[in-house]
Amino acid sequence: DQQVKQNSPSLSVQEGRISILNCDYTNSMFDYFLWYKKYPAEGPTFLISISSIKDKNEDGRFTVFLNKSAKHLSLHIVPSQPGDSAVYFCAASADTGNQFYFGTGTSLTVIP
Amino acid sequence: GAGVSQSPRYKVAKRGQDVALRCDPISGHVSLFWYQQALGQGPEFLTYFQNEAQLDKSGLPSDRFFAERPEGSVSTLKIQRTQQEDSAVYLCASGVWGFSGNTIYFGEGSWLTVV
Repeated sequence: DQQVKQNSPSLSVQEGRISILNCDYTNSMFDYFLWYKKYPAEGPTFLISISSIKDKNEDGRFTVFLNKSAKHLSLHIVPSQPGDSAVYFCAASADTGNQFYFGTGTSLTVIP
Repeated sequence: GAGVSQSPRYKVAKRGQDVALRCDPISGHVSLFWYQQALGQGPEFLTYFQNEAQLDKSGLPSDRFFAERPEGSVSTLKIQRTQQEDSAVYLCASGVWGFSGNTIYFGEGSWLTVV
C-alpha cells in the first residue's frame, strides 16, 4: 500500500513561471517530509525538508508547504529554470526516522 | 570524497550468480540505508544501519538479500542466486540527525541487470 503518493507523473512549465509539485500521504504518524530531485543516471539529491511543527519552509527558489489536516504537501519552484527539469520525489518519515517512504515521482520539464 | 560513493555503478549478472554492491557513506554519518528503485518507481526501503548495528531489515525481499556494515562505515549489500526480478537500481544513503529529523543523502546507485 502506497503511503506517499504523487498523483501527477509529469508536469510542464514555462521558464520563469511557478512549478507546483504535489504530494499526499496517508499515515498520520509521518512528521518529517523531504523533497529530492533526480537527474537521469544519478542518485536523488536532497532539496528541502519540513517538520510537522511548521507549515512552510523556504530555501531560495524552493518553498515547501505542509497541510497536516489534508495530509498534503507541495513544492513550489519560483521562478522555474530549465535546469530544474528532473524527476522530483517526496518522502516522509515518522519520528524514529528509520524508514523513509517515497512517492513515485513527478517528472518536471521546464520549457525555455 | 564528500558524497556517498557506490560501486560498481553498473553490473550485469547472469541469473543464479551472486553479486556484492558496496557503499562508502559520508564520513561521520552513523545512519546508513539501502533502497531499491525499479524503473518508474520511487525508492523502496530495504534495510537500515546505525553504526554497525542493523536495526531494521524489514524491507529485504527475501533471504537471498543480505547486508552488513561490520565496522560502522562501509556497507555491502549481497544478493545471492540473482533472479531477473532483482534487476533494479540499488541506492545507498547515509544520514545525519538534525533538529527536525534525519536527512539522508544518496549515492549515485548501482544499476543491476540480471540476464
